[in-house]
Amino acid sequence: DAGVTQSPTHLIKTRGQQVTLRCSPISGHKSVSWYQQVLGQGPQFIFQYYEKEERGRGNFPDRFSARQFPNYSSELNVNALLLGDSALYLCASSKSLVDGTEAFFGQGTRLTVV
Amino acid sequence: AQSVTQLDSQVPVFEEAPVELRCNYSSSVSVYLFWYVQYPNQGLQLLLKYLSGSTLVKGINGFEAEFNKSQTSFHLRKPSVHISDTAEYFCAVTRSSGGSYIPTFGRGTSLIVHP
Repeated sequence: DAGVTQSPTHLIKTRGQQVTLRCSPISGHKSVSWYQQVLGQGPQFIFQYYEKEERGRGNFPDRFSARQFPNYSSELNVNALLLGDSALYLCASSKSLVDGTEAFFGQGTRLTVV
Repeated sequence: AQSVTQLDSQVPVFEEAPVELRCNYSSSVSVYLFWYVQYPNQGLQLLLKYLSGSTLVKGINGFEAEFNKSQTSFHLRKPSVHISDTAEYFCAVTRSSGGSYIPTFGRGTSLIVHP
């Protein structure tokens, strides 16, 4: 079975531009979460979606938005990019939102803002 | 609010030696605890988790962790490490919030295994 797939794997953008990152969850998984991992830090929670509805939001500005599609894939959008948005963006999928349910992570999208 | 503190940013150790990676958490409510491993240029992989029951949890690759409620700790241990264990290790805590669970990760501990 395919794991969580993210695209693209690497991306270089200029300050002020907009970017869209994509995530396909494991088949049968209905929940997708997004994380930002700055170099040398742990992942920071951005969004959680379940059954196409936003179920959680981390402490990120409104420039960050996301959505989940009927096939449970998801997109993360970041507008007006700043240098500080440079990071590894991780997507994780899980079967449900039951506490303790294992989350499976993709390999991430490395975003560099110049 | 909840937080996770990984006390060591880097732990160097020789191959076949034991290792302990420390994790302390703070939370006003009951939590679930996790350890993840991240190899270079990869996503995170679950090593083990504590939900309830026995405080000693066994995970993959020979790792285990012990939940200590009184000390609010969840330290990760392995009796004998291999070169292939060189990676970044993250402790995480989740709690229920409005029907979903929101994870908080520590800053990570870099385990460096020397031959």
